[in-house]
Amino acid sequence: AQTVTQSQPEMSVQEAETVTLSCTYDTSESDYYLFWYKQPPSRQMILVIRQEAYKQQNATENRFSVNFQKAAKSFSLKISDSQLGDAAMYFCAYRSTRQGGSEKLVFGKGTKLTVNP
Amino acid sequence: DGGITQSPKYLFRKEGQNVTLSCEQNLNHDAMYWYRQDPGQGLRLIYYSQIVNDFQKGDIAEGYSVSREKKESFPLTVTSAQKNPTAFYLCASSRERYTGELFFGEGSRLTVL
Repeated sequence: AQTVTQSQPEMSVQEAETVTLSCTYDTSESDYYLFWYKQPPSRQMILVIRQEAYKQQNATENRFSVNFQKAAKSFSLKISDSQLGDAAMYFCAYRSTRQGGSEKLVFGKGTKLTVNP
Repeated sequence: DGGITQSPKYLFRKEGQNVTLSCEQNLNHDAMYWYRQDPGQGLRLIYYSQIVNDFQKGDIAEGYSVSREKKESFPLTVTSAQKNPTAFYLCASSRERYTGELFFGEGSRLTVL
């Protein structure tokens, strides 16, 4: 079974600075999806960014970008120009494309990000 | 606006009582999911449904039941057999059955007194 590991339970960053959140995953598959979700204090999960494993180019969404290292099974999230509104729990998630294993997302345990003014 | 609506947001229950959490979506998504979130544990899958009248157990289905009689609705019943039901429950849906991201509701907080 696939597993997702987020090794940083908590991180902090100064407003306007850059922070990188780490995520590693374990899989024997070659094709899959990876996601970063944000959960603010309101607790609704919001998709930040997604990456298809077959794409070599790293995904980018405004101030959010990923460093996808397929061979290393690493999927880190970089937040540039951090804002107070970025403070939240961030979850990394994996989804297989294999039928019989692709029905669900597997989540890491999350990283709590604090943004200091 | 399209989205996923969960109700109630907060629910208190006495031990030994069953309780049902509602989840409705108007996104026309085929697949729906229930996750449980506990502090420090991330999200764990309870049940999922890829199509109407069909659903599958997730990783922690014991003490829970679901139904999928309509595409839009996927209610979760927390039964008295669930030994530690106090948690935050998240409902989600996915446009495709086997690919893509999940869209989440705002969640329901269940507290057992």
